[in-house]
Amino acid sequence: DTGVSQDPRHKITKRGQNVTFRCDPISEHNRLYWYRQTLGQGPEFLTYFQNEAQLEKSRLLSDRFSAERPKGSFSTLEIQRTEQGDSAMYLCASARDRSNYGYTFGSGTRLTVV
Amino acid sequence: AQSVTQLDSQVPVFEEAPVELRCNYSSSVSVYLFWYVQYPNQGLQLLLKYLSGSTLVESINGFEAEFNKSQTSFHLRKPSVHISDTAEYFCAVITNRDDKIIFGKGTRLHILP
Repeated sequence: DTGVSQDPRHKITKRGQNVTFRCDPISEHNRLYWYRQTLGQGPEFLTYFQNEAQLEKSRLLSDRFSAERPKGSFSTLEIQRTEQGDSAMYLCASARDRSNYGYTFGSGTRLTVV
Repeated sequence: AQSVTQLDSQVPVFEEAPVELRCNYSSSVSVYLFWYVQYPNQGLQLLLKYLSGSTLVESINGFEAEFNKSQTSFHLRKPSVHISDTAEYFCAVITNRDDKIIFGKGTRLHILP
């Protein structure tokens, strides 16, 4: 069990470019969550998967955002046509079955849009 | 829908002094409660959780939190803080009808020498 891995740790991109982040959850966890955290705020829910099915998406997730978990293992989060307001820490977490026992978070990907 | 309020955005406290970080929640159904800690440039780590049973829960590094249903609170306390406790602390809640954890805005704990 190597924990939840996120790649890259940091990403600087120019406005208008597309970016993709990857998350590898704990292997036996079937639930995977994406959150966004901006400065001075707590993590805000974006979306989650149970196995390969995307079960819920937040209204925060505009059409420029898409997430996949093709084989129920790793997940990707893509942001198209990035804007400065997308600058944030993107956190991935995984959980076994229901969430009431808490998640295990990765270290996050810090995105800076210039 | 449930929500979490952390009343203090920052709490300064002298080293070896006690500290309390306040958290109140709102929910019409049963809840499970968590405290997460985030050290600089790191992800969140689960500090402690209340699921059921004893209303006082403890972590391995000396923190404790008490679930108070009548006051809808889950305050975090430590009798004597260390410089290594410098971090941001997030209170969080999930109900038994929902599938995602909702976080408060966090409280930054400043340890003064």
